[in-house]
Amino acid sequence: EVQLVESGGGLVQPGGSLRLSCAASGFTLSKSWMHWVRQAPGKGLVWVSRINSAGTSTTYADSVKGRFTISRDHAKNTLYLQMNSLRAEDTAVYYCARGDASGTYGVDYWGQGTLVTVSS
Amino acid sequence: QSALTQPASVSGSPGQSITISCTGTSSNVGGYDYVSWYQQHPGKAPKLVISDVYKRPSGVSDRFSGSKSGNTASLTISGLQADDEADYYCNSFTTSSTWVFGGGTKLTVL
Repeated sequence: EVQLVESGGGLVQPGGSLRLSCAASGFTLSKSWMHWVRQAPGKGLVWVSRINSAGTSTTYADSVKGRFTISRDHAKNTLYLQMNSLRAEDTAVYYCARGDASGTYGVDYWGQGTLVTVSS
Repeated sequence: QSALTQPASVSGSPGQSITISCTGTSSNVGGYDYVSWYQQHPGKAPKLVISDVYKRPSGVSDRFSGSKSGNTASLTISGLQADDEADYYCNSFTTSSTWVFGGGTKLTVL
């Protein structure tokens, strides 16, 4: 069974850093594109970042480019999102999600999300 | 990376059909057949219901269908059921090799 479990969220001051983790099971990260998507409280979904199956290509939303870094550890089958220079507007539930295994550009599995709150 | 445009809300009675539109530009919706739709119930993670404009994942009811014309994609739900009441989001791949979501549409089943 495919499972994605995020961790690492919490309260951080503006300008601070946080690293989110997403432990994958039931499939191999190295064979899947992976995404981070966030949702501010009461707001809509916002795509944040993506890494390809080989780990050789990453892309970011303009709002986080230069501040966030997506990466993964094949040995731990874990996806990461390093978030630096955090701002109040980064406050959201962060979901990790798997690119559709059937090869479409959709996302077929989502984690339960981890809440990041940026506040002084 | 402006969000795709969706109506804020739509409604329909049980058994009826509704359609949610998603308007973008030639840099996203109009440029690729890579539009997906997600259903999200309150407090839950999103669920993929349509990918690549019209492809329905295994396990998704055939009451859900997708289409696209020019820069506008559409999700149609036929035979509305109470459990269809949720937020729906469209998503598209873009010329910048990024993805962009729509603002979301709240579906109310009357």
